[in-house]
This record gives sequence, structure tokens and C-alpha cells, in this order.
Amino acid sequence: DAGITQSPRHKVTETGTPVTLRCHQTENHRYMYWYRQDPGHGLRLIHYSYGVKDTDKGEVSDGYSVSRSKTEDFLLTLESATSSQTSVYFCAIQRTGDVSSTPNEQFFGPGTRLTVL
Amino acid sequence: DAKTTQPPSMDCAEGRAANLPCNHSTISGNEYVYWYRQIHSQGPQYIIHGLKNNETNEMASLIITEDRKSSTLILPHATLRDTAVYYCIVLNFGNEKLTFGTGTRLTIIP
Repeated sequence: DAGITQSPRHKVTETGTPVTLRCHQTENHRYMYWYRQDPGHGLRLIHYSYGVKDTDKGEVSDGYSVSRSKTEDFLLTLESATSSQTSVYFCAIQRTGDVSSTPNEQFFGPGTRLTVL
Repeated sequence: DAKTTQPPSMDCAEGRAANLPCNHSTISGNEYVYWYRQIHSQGPQYIIHGLKNNETNEMASLIITEDRKSSTLILPHATLRDTAVYYCIVLNFGNEKLTFGTGTRLTIIP
């Protein structure tokens, strides 16, 4: 599982409240990602990070912000949650710089199921 | 990155080979073909990747046509645990972002 944990695993919140999801890794990988998955869709990239304080937007970044103040943690924040953000959120890391690793091989966390009422 | 087309669903009998096709007719010379799968409610899992030669690992084989416009993922002896959604992804080797389509939902029939 590449030492990836996500917290919380399940959350129910109300529209308009702020929500922060945490992704934690234990292997000090440089690249970390946040995806969302909705019925009928594959995973869609929200934001990603290529190092501490280095982040960039994915294809569905509106309404989300991220922060990475240390290598092991990548936080996803919904400033004001909306019902359209009800989804399953997956965090992933990518192993690079290791001769035995497969480029572009991403390892995913267990997911966080978020419901916005 | 080139777009891919996969059938939305397939069935395969347990113990038989599962052959999952992927069309990527606009693939360019420096783009690789990657396969991931997602078992129900879990995060996706890397299976295999290739450029133009056929590849095999402990999980599967990847057959890429000579013109590279399509490929087939082969699970040689499918088991019930292979029931999952399989994603075919085409991207440049140095591209650090994966783009998932809707994949093929493979159901292994006992």
C-alpha cells in the first residue's frame, strides 16, 4: 500500500462548511495527488504536488485548495462544501527516482467517502 | 496525451483468458500505454505498461499492435478476484499526471 493513509475515511457534512481531507505517506515520495471519483466517471485529478509548497491544478480544481507544508502530508480543503462535491476522494503518490520503480506508477490510498448534505 | 477508447463492459468465464481491448489511434511515438485496474471501492492498481514491444509480468500480458494504434491486455487465467474496472491510459513517459477514462468493467463469471 506504499504507506498511504487517508483521514477521515468517511465524513458527512453540511453545505457551506469547510472540510479538510488529509493524505499521509511514510516513504517521502515527491509527487502526491488528489483525485475524485463519481459514478459513471473514472478518477479525475483535482490537484497535485511535486514537492513541499509546490502544487498545481488538475482538471477539476474549482472549489478546492491544497497545501503541502511537509513531504509526508498533502491536505485537500473544500473552503465551502457544496453538494456537487459529494464524492469519493483518493490520494496517490508516485514513486520516482528509484531505479527499481516504474515511471508513472501511482499508488493509491484507501479513499475518503465525503457526503455533503 | 492521446485519447483511448475501451468497451464499457465485458464478461469472461473463470479460468479462461480475459482479453481487454483498447483503441488509441492518435498515439504519438513517445507515448506509452499503461493499464490500471480498480477493484470495487479500492484505489486503482498499476498492472503493466509498454511502448511498442509486447510485455509480460506476473499479473498480465500487454500486446501492442505494430502500428501502435491499439493494444490488448490479457489476463491469462482469470479468477473471480480479477473482477474490476480496467483503465487503459496513454501518456508521455515524463508526464506525471494520469488521465483516467471510464474504463472497461470486467466481470468474471464462475
